[in-house]
Amino acid sequence: SQQGEEDPQALSIQEGENATMNCSYKTSINNLQWYRQNSGRGLVHLILIRSNEREKHSGRLRVTLDTSKKSSSLLITASRAADTASYFCATDRVAAGNKLTFGGGTRVLVKP
Amino acid sequence: EAQVTQNPRYLITVTGKKLTVTCSQNMNHEYMSWYRQDPGLGLRQIYYSMNVEVTDKGDVPEGYKVSRKEKRNFPLILESPSPNQTSLYFCASSFSGLGTEAFFGQGTRLTVV
Repeated sequence: SQQGEEDPQALSIQEGENATMNCSYKTSINNLQWYRQNSGRGLVHLILIRSNEREKHSGRLRVTLDTSKKSSSLLITASRAADTASYFCATDRVAAGNKLTFGGGTRVLVKP
Repeated sequence: EAQVTQNPRYLITVTGKKLTVTCSQNMNHEYMSWYRQDPGLGLRQIYYSMNVEVTDKGDVPEGYKVSRKEKRNFPLILESPSPNQTSLYFCASSFSGLGTEAFFGQGTRLTVV
């Protein structure tokens, strides 16, 4: 079962613009992570935010977490063509055997 | 270099012919898992292992087996593959599972005809 659901499913922007995508989940979590996947390749970890954190930054990435709304957002600022990829949120919780449960992903196209 | 290595990268096989996809990690991670990725369904966990000799079912375990005899290796076994197991498979490892970054292999694209 998918714990996280990303929105939108697809996003097309111009280079230099910001890209925002959202993730909603159903049950309480311990941590939430964001991953990037280039076409058909393995996933690469971007950032992890713990349930007691509200915001985290890493380079051009900003992640927020609202546990009351069971949602998270990923903002990529000043996007580049190389940011073209699919982005997935993943949640984990002790009650689910520590496993990562992924959402369906957001496909981002950054046009040069 | 820290990595998770899967083999083979591509495989075409026939229904019923047993196959094994290998996965090896060099980071001394305790937690390993297998996922399948299908269009519209995202990544779904097949099996996971919290440590040597400890494995458990994920969300879609039917038709698959795993073993964890050594810490670094976590092979995925399809005893009698069927066409509905055609998919893109990923092995992943992390230090402890909960709250730790997962490292993914390059993926194995399996086609069962």
